[in-house]
Amino acid sequence: AQSVTQPDIHITVSEGASLELRCNYSYGATPYLFWYVQSPGQGLQLLLKYFSGDTLVQGIKGFEAEFKRSQSSFNLRKPSVHWSDAAEYFCAVVTYNNNDMRFGAGTRLTVKP
Amino acid sequence: GAGVSQTPSNKVTEKGKYVELRCDPISGHTALYWYRQSLGQGPEFLIYFQGTGAADDSGLPNDRFFAVRPEGSVSTLKIQRTERGDSAVYLCASSPLSGSVNEQFFGPGTRLTVL
Repeated sequence: AQSVTQPDIHITVSEGASLELRCNYSYGATPYLFWYVQSPGQGLQLLLKYFSGDTLVQGIKGFEAEFKRSQSSFNLRKPSVHWSDAAEYFCAVVTYNNNDMRFGAGTRLTVKP
Repeated sequence: GAGVSQTPSNKVTEKGKYVELRCDPISGHTALYWYRQSLGQGPEFLIYFQGTGAADDSGLPNDRFFAVRPEGSVSTLKIQRTERGDSAVYLCASSPLSGSVNEQFFGPGTRLTVL
Protein backbone atom coordinates (compact mmCIF):
# COMPACT_ATOMS: atom_id res chain seq x y z
CA ALA A 1 0.00 0.00 0.00
CA GLN A 2 1.11 3.52 -0.62
CA SER A 3 2.48 5.55 2.26
CA VAL A 4 3.90 8.99 2.88
CA THR A 5 6.71 9.99 5.22
CA GLN A 6 7.42 13.51 6.38
CA PRO A 7 10.68 13.22 8.32
CA ASP A 8 10.49 16.61 10.01
CA ILE A 9 7.86 17.03 12.71
CA HIS A 10 8.67 20.68 13.36
CA ILE A 11 10.76 23.24 11.49
CA THR A 12 11.58 26.80 12.50
CA VAL A 13 12.80 29.36 9.99
CA SER A 14 13.35 33.08 10.09
CA GLU A 15 11.07 35.34 8.10
CA GLY A 16 12.61 35.94 4.70
CA ALA A 17 14.65 32.74 4.77
CA SER A 18 14.16 29.91 2.32
CA LEU A 19 12.17 26.82 3.20
CA GLU A 20 12.22 23.17 2.19
CA LEU A 21 9.83 20.61 3.64
CA ARG A 22 10.61 16.99 2.90
CA CYS A 23 8.21 14.32 1.70
CA ASN A 24 8.97 10.74 0.71
CA TYR A 25 6.44 8.31 -0.66
CA SER A 26 6.32 4.58 -1.05
CA TYR A 27 4.50 3.24 -4.06
CA GLY A 28 5.34 1.02 -7.01
CA ALA A 29 4.03 3.19 -9.79
CA THR A 30 3.95 6.93 -10.29
CA PRO A 31 1.56 8.32 -7.73
CA TYR A 32 -0.43 11.49 -7.69
CA LEU A 33 1.17 13.81 -5.13
CA PHE A 34 -0.23 16.74 -3.21
CA TRP A 35 0.78 19.33 -0.65
CA TYR A 36 -1.85 20.78 1.67
CA VAL A 37 -1.56 23.49 4.32
CA GLN A 38 -3.62 23.60 7.51
CA SER A 39 -3.83 26.79 9.52
CA PRO A 40 -5.36 26.81 13.02
CA GLY A 41 -9.14 26.73 12.81
CA GLN A 42 -9.03 26.47 9.02
CA GLY A 43 -9.64 23.60 6.67
CA LEU A 44 -6.89 21.99 4.69
CA GLN A 45 -6.04 24.03 1.62
CA LEU A 46 -4.41 22.63 -1.50
CA LEU A 47 -1.06 24.26 -2.30
CA LEU A 48 -0.13 22.25 -5.38
CA LYS A 49 -0.32 18.84 -6.99
CA TYR A 50 1.68 16.65 -9.34
CA PHE A 51 0.14 14.21 -11.77
CA SER A 52 2.58 13.98 -14.66
CA GLY A 53 4.74 16.07 -16.96
CA ASP A 54 7.08 18.77 -15.70
CA THR A 55 8.53 17.59 -12.42
CA LEU A 56 8.71 21.12 -10.99
CA VAL A 57 5.26 22.21 -9.98
CA GLN A 58 4.21 25.74 -9.08
CA GLY A 59 1.52 26.33 -6.52
CA ILE A 60 -0.25 29.08 -4.69
CA LYS A 61 1.33 31.51 -2.21
CA GLY A 62 4.72 31.26 -3.92
CA PHE A 63 5.27 27.57 -3.15
CA GLU A 64 6.77 25.03 -5.52
CA ALA A 65 7.57 21.33 -5.30
CA GLU A 66 9.80 19.01 -7.25
CA PHE A 67 9.02 15.39 -8.00
CA LYS A 68 12.13 13.20 -8.00
CA ARG A 69 11.32 9.65 -8.99
CA SER A 70 14.82 8.35 -8.21
CA GLN A 71 14.51 9.56 -4.63
CA SER A 72 10.77 8.91 -4.24
CA SER A 73 10.50 12.46 -3.01
CA PHE A 74 8.22 15.45 -3.48
CA ASN A 75 9.76 18.25 -1.43
CA LEU A 76 8.03 21.57 -0.96
CA ARG A 77 10.01 24.78 -1.27
CA LYS A 78 9.59 28.51 -0.91
CA PRO A 79 12.39 31.01 -1.54
CA SER A 80 11.32 33.54 1.09
CA VAL A 81 9.03 32.66 3.97
CA HIS A 82 6.45 35.10 5.33
CA TRP A 83 5.12 35.11 8.89
CA SER A 84 1.70 34.12 7.53
CA ASP A 85 3.18 30.83 6.27
CA ALA A 86 3.29 29.49 9.82
CA ALA A 87 1.01 26.44 9.71
CA GLU A 88 0.97 22.67 9.45
CA TYR A 89 1.93 21.21 6.07
CA PHE A 90 0.82 17.83 4.82
CA CYS A 91 2.08 15.79 1.90
CA ALA A 92 -0.40 13.31 0.43
CA VAL A 93 -0.49 10.59 -2.18
CA VAL A 94 -3.24 8.96 -4.22
CA THR A 95 -2.92 6.09 -6.61
CA TYR A 96 -4.86 6.26 -9.86
CA ASN A 97 -7.29 3.47 -9.05
CA ASN A 98 -7.69 4.35 -5.41
CA ASN A 99 -10.19 6.60 -3.80
CA ASP A 100 -8.35 7.19 -0.61
CA MET A 101 -5.77 9.87 -0.12
CA ARG A 102 -2.92 8.96 2.24
CA PHE A 103 -1.45 11.81 4.23
CA GLY A 104 1.87 12.15 5.95
CA ALA A 105 1.97 13.01 9.65
CA GLY A 106 2.63 16.65 8.82
CA THR A 107 5.36 19.20 9.43
CA ARG A 108 4.66 22.15 11.66
CA LEU A 109 6.30 25.35 10.45
CA THR A 110 7.17 28.13 12.86
CA VAL A 111 8.34 31.46 11.44
CA LYS A 112 10.61 33.64 13.61
CA PRO A 113 10.41 37.42 13.16
CA GLY B 1 -18.95 31.47 -2.13
CA ALA B 2 -19.62 29.22 0.84
CA GLY B 3 -17.13 26.50 1.56
CA VAL B 4 -17.58 23.16 3.26
CA SER B 5 -19.17 23.56 6.66
CA GLN B 6 -19.23 21.11 9.54
CA THR B 7 -21.33 21.08 12.65
CA PRO B 8 -20.82 21.08 15.50
CA SER B 9 -17.33 22.52 15.65
CA ASN B 10 -16.80 20.81 18.98
CA LYS B 11 -18.55 17.82 20.54
CA VAL B 12 -17.91 16.43 23.98
CA THR B 13 -19.60 13.17 24.87
CA GLU B 14 -19.32 10.35 27.33
CA LYS B 15 -18.03 6.89 26.60
CA GLY B 16 -20.79 4.68 25.26
CA LYS B 17 -22.91 7.49 23.86
CA TYR B 18 -24.05 7.96 20.26
CA VAL B 19 -22.95 10.98 18.21
CA GLU B 20 -23.74 12.45 14.82
CA LEU B 21 -21.44 14.77 12.93
CA ARG B 22 -22.76 16.78 10.02
CA CYS B 23 -21.10 17.93 6.82
CA ASP B 24 -22.51 20.44 4.33
CA PRO B 25 -20.46 20.23 1.14
CA ILE B 26 -20.03 22.92 -1.46
CA SER B 27 -23.17 23.15 -3.53
CA GLY B 28 -23.01 20.98 -6.62
CA HIS B 29 -20.10 18.86 -5.46
CA THR B 30 -20.90 15.23 -6.14
CA ALA B 31 -18.01 13.63 -4.25
CA LEU B 32 -17.79 13.76 -0.46
CA TYR B 33 -15.10 12.35 1.84
CA TRP B 34 -14.77 11.83 5.57
CA TYR B 35 -11.40 11.72 7.31
CA ARG B 36 -10.29 11.35 10.90
CA GLN B 37 -7.30 13.28 12.21
CA SER B 38 -5.79 12.19 15.50
CA LEU B 39 -3.46 14.45 17.45
CA GLY B 40 -0.08 14.76 15.73
CA GLN B 41 -1.19 12.79 12.69
CA GLY B 42 -2.33 13.49 9.19
CA PRO B 43 -5.92 12.91 8.13
CA GLU B 44 -6.93 9.27 7.75
CA PHE B 45 -9.45 8.29 5.09
CA LEU B 46 -12.74 6.90 6.37
CA ILE B 47 -15.33 6.86 3.59
CA TYR B 48 -16.06 8.30 0.15
CA PHE B 49 -19.46 9.08 -1.34
CA GLN B 50 -20.22 9.55 -4.99
CA GLY B 51 -23.69 11.01 -5.03
CA THR B 52 -25.87 9.21 -2.50
CA GLY B 53 -23.93 5.98 -2.39
CA ALA B 54 -20.85 5.07 -0.42
CA ALA B 55 -18.39 4.22 -3.17
CA ASP B 56 -15.63 3.23 -0.77
CA ASP B 57 -16.05 2.66 2.98
CA SER B 58 -12.85 0.70 3.46
CA GLY B 59 -11.47 3.23 5.92
CA LEU B 60 -14.21 2.89 8.52
CA PRO B 61 -12.47 1.33 11.53
CA ASN B 62 -15.34 -0.90 12.66
CA ASP B 63 -19.10 -1.32 12.54
CA ARG B 64 -19.68 1.37 15.17
CA PHE B 65 -19.00 3.90 12.42
CA PHE B 66 -21.58 4.60 9.75
CA ALA B 67 -22.18 7.46 7.33
CA VAL B 68 -25.07 8.47 5.13
CA ARG B 69 -25.75 10.96 2.38
CA PRO B 70 -29.42 10.39 1.57
CA GLU B 71 -29.97 13.20 -0.92
CA GLY B 72 -26.50 13.45 -2.35
CA SER B 73 -25.66 16.65 -0.52
CA VAL B 74 -25.45 16.80 3.29
CA SER B 75 -23.72 13.87 4.95
CA THR B 76 -23.85 12.61 8.51
CA LEU B 77 -21.17 10.52 10.18
CA LYS B 78 -22.63 8.42 12.96
CA ILE B 79 -20.65 6.81 15.75
CA GLN B 80 -22.30 4.34 18.09
CA ARG B 81 -21.07 3.36 21.56
CA THR B 82 -18.28 5.90 21.46
CA GLU B 83 -14.91 5.00 22.94
CA ARG B 84 -12.14 7.24 24.23
CA GLY B 85 -10.05 6.23 21.23
CA ASP B 86 -12.61 7.85 18.94
CA SER B 87 -11.48 11.27 20.15
CA ALA B 88 -10.12 13.12 17.13
CA VAL B 89 -10.93 15.84 14.62
CA TYR B 90 -13.30 14.57 11.96
CA LEU B 91 -12.81 16.27 8.61
CA CYS B 92 -15.15 16.41 5.67
CA ALA B 93 -14.14 17.30 2.13
CA SER B 94 -16.03 17.66 -1.11
CA SER B 95 -15.03 17.67 -4.75
CA PRO B 96 -16.85 18.54 -7.94
CA LEU B 97 -15.50 15.39 -9.56
CA SER B 98 -15.20 11.81 -8.41
CA GLY B 99 -11.90 10.25 -7.40
CA SER B 100 -9.31 11.46 -4.94
CA VAL B 101 -7.04 12.64 -7.74
CA ASN B 102 -9.25 15.69 -8.01
CA GLU B 103 -8.90 18.63 -5.64
CA GLN B 104 -10.78 18.19 -2.42
CA PHE B 105 -12.09 21.17 -0.49
CA PHE B 106 -11.95 20.62 3.24
CA GLY B 107 -14.15 21.86 6.03
CA PRO B 108 -12.75 23.11 9.36
CA GLY B 109 -13.57 19.84 11.10
CA THR B 110 -15.46 18.70 14.16
CA ARG B 111 -13.38 18.08 17.26
CA LEU B 112 -14.84 15.07 19.09
CA THR B 113 -13.84 14.41 22.67
CA VAL B 114 -15.00 11.22 24.35
CA LEU B 115 -14.67 11.34 28.11
